Amino acid sequence: AQKITQTQPGMFVQEKEAVTLDCTYDTSDQSYGLFWYKQPSSGEMIFLIYQGSYDEQNATEGRYSLNFQKARKSANLVISASQLGDSAMYFCAMREVMDSSYKLIFGSGTRLLVRP
Amino acid sequence: DSGVTQTPKHLITATGQRVTLRCSPRSGDLSVYWYQQSLDQGLQFLIQYYNGEERAKGNILERFSAQQFPDLHSELNLSSLELGDSALYFCASSGRLGGGSGGANEQFFGPGTRLTVL
Repeated sequence: AQKITQTQPGMFVQEKEAVTLDCTYDTSDQSYGLFWYKQPSSGEMIFLIYQGSYDEQNATEGRYSLNFQKARKSANLVISASQLGDSAMYFCAMREVMDSSYKLIFGSGTRLLVRP
Repeated sequence: DSGVTQTPKHLITATGQRVTLRCSPRSGDLSVYWYQQSLDQGLQFLIQYYNGEERAKGNILERFSAQQFPDLHSELNLSSLELGDSALYFCASSGRLGGGSGGANEQFFGPGTRLTVL
């Protein structure tokens, strides 16, 4: 069975600094996809970034980048130039294919607090 | 704003009762997914519908059921409610059915319905 592990329950970062949120995954599939979502205190889940297992380059979306190390089965999220609004829960997720459909398997999340 | 709407935002009810949660996917999205987020279980997939048909089931209790209507909105029905059913219930939608190596086909989440069972 596929599994996502986020080992950092909580992280602090100073405003304007970069922070890395860890995510490791376990799968026997050759083709898979990895996602990061942000959940602010208001509760909604916001899609941030996606990395496909066959993508040769690390994904980037604005201040978000994904440090994808396939051999180590890690997909860490890097947030550059942290802002106060980045304070939230962050979830790493993996796409698990089911027949012709798929579901998301989520990690337990990391709570990030940005200090002014 | 993801474009996915969910009503109601909050729901407070008693044990043994039945409730219905409603979701409207993003315009043009045919797939609807339901997830439950609780403190002890985290975020778990419940069920998926595609263009009106059930396509996948996850850890959904027999007391729970869902359907997707011709206009593509979906409803999640929770019956014989227990205290442990208190959670945040999310609906998500995506444009395509599968998710192979052909792009993200990411799921866009609604704001959630917070259910409290007293």
